Amino acid sequence: AQTVTQSQPEMSVQEAETVTLSCTYDTSESDYYLFWYKQPPSRQMILVIRQEAYKQQNATENRFSVNFQKAAKSFSLKISDSQLGDAAMYFCALSGGGADGLTFGKGTHLIIQP
Amino acid sequence: AAGVIQSPRHLIKEKRETATLKCYPIPRHDTVYWYQQGPGQDPQFLISFYEKMQSDKGSIPDRFSAQQFSDYHSELNMSSLELGDSALYFCASSPWDRARTGELFFGEGSRLTVL
Repeated sequence: AQTVTQSQPEMSVQEAETVTLSCTYDTSESDYYLFWYKQPPSRQMILVIRQEAYKQQNATENRFSVNFQKAAKSFSLKISDSQLGDAAMYFCALSGGGADGLTFGKGTHLIIQP
Repeated sequence: AAGVIQSPRHLIKEKRETATLKCYPIPRHDTVYWYQQGPGQDPQFLISFYEKMQSDKGSIPDRFSAQQFSDYHSELNMSSLELGDSALYFCASSPWDRARTGELFFGEGSRLTVL
């Protein structure tokens, strides 16, 4: 079975600063994908960033980047220059490479302080 | 751009009643997923479909059933509703090649309240 663990129920950061959200996972698959999804108060889940396990290079999407440590099974999300619109629940998710859906972590509630 | 459409957005039912949720995937998306998210919880995978056939099953109760129709829309049928079924139900769709890598496009969800 796959598991995803987010140990930070809530994080707070000042606007324009940098924040890192933690995620660890466990899987027996050799080919898998990791994701960070954002769920703003409107409740629709939006894909933020994706990492293929076979790629060593960390994924980057504008202000969002990941630190993927495959041996440690760690997948953290760094948000630079935090903006008020970044406030949301952030879910780390794992896919085993088949059509079996995503396994989500419990989520981290990110608060942006003006 | 077209998104995943879910209806109804809100639904209130009594215990032991039935409810049907509908999902209209993004055009040309041939896979559909259903997730249940309880209050303050992470989304739990219920069931998925590919080309109108069930492709995988998660923690879906026996009281629930789902199907994908010829136009690729999907319906989640829930019977003998219990208080614990109160949740946000998400539908997600994806083209098969992107679904295989877990990249899903989510709808805004249907909030079911069971009284």
